[in-house]
Amino acid sequence: QKEVEQDPGPLSVPEGAIVSLNCTYSNSAFQYFMWYRQYSRKGPELLMYTYSSGNKEDGRFTAQVDKSSKYISLFIRDSQPSDSATYLCAMRGRYNNNDMRFGAGTRLTVKP
Amino acid sequence: EPEVTQTPSHQVTQMGQEVILRCVPISNHLYFYWYRQILGQKVEFLVSFYNNEISEKSEIFDDQFSVERPDGSNFTLKIRSTKLEDSAMYFCASSTGTGSISYGYTFGSGTRLTVV
Repeated sequence: QKEVEQDPGPLSVPEGAIVSLNCTYSNSAFQYFMWYRQYSRKGPELLMYTYSSGNKEDGRFTAQVDKSSKYISLFIRDSQPSDSATYLCAMRGRYNNNDMRFGAGTRLTVKP
Repeated sequence: EPEVTQTPSHQVTQMGQEVILRCVPISNHLYFYWYRQILGQKVEFLVSFYNNEISEKSEIFDDQFSVERPDGSNFTLKIRSTKLEDSAMYFCASSTGTGSISYGYTFGSGTRLTVV
């Protein structure tokens, strides 16, 4: 079983839709969870991070973590064409950055 | 906003040649990283660097690879005797610290390496 599983999509939605992106993981040592956004030909850009089970909201974005199920989600409300990108989940243990693991990334297209 | 700068954006090299990928991290960052992303695959950790030495490396980072901080600003990844399977996007990243999740990485835009 891969440490981090993420459906690569692609996912295509109309403008204004609610988008749900998900990752599952197997390593219970992961304590910090991040979502990165990657535009074409660019490096990943940190969107949100969280370290506790539950929801964290930032504008139109909500990150959700369920440690008991080893499942994390990113919800995008009122999606915009500018949200079209690849979304990468990433996670790591508590003490250092070196064991960070990325999901495969989900390619999202928001159509006007 | 401060950026991590990588050069070149695209490098084509013949199999067996040596390449050097260059990165200029954000000036007050202390931790530096190289990641690679083979087309259609995951972002994979290669190496982390702190205080002028490697702090951790993955199994991918074998004797073919080396990193260096030759001066106060540049951070380089050298690949000796390139192989076809080294073709990938190589991302440099930097952070102010490690441990706390608030020390998020800033990634560069990457160097696309094509080995022919």
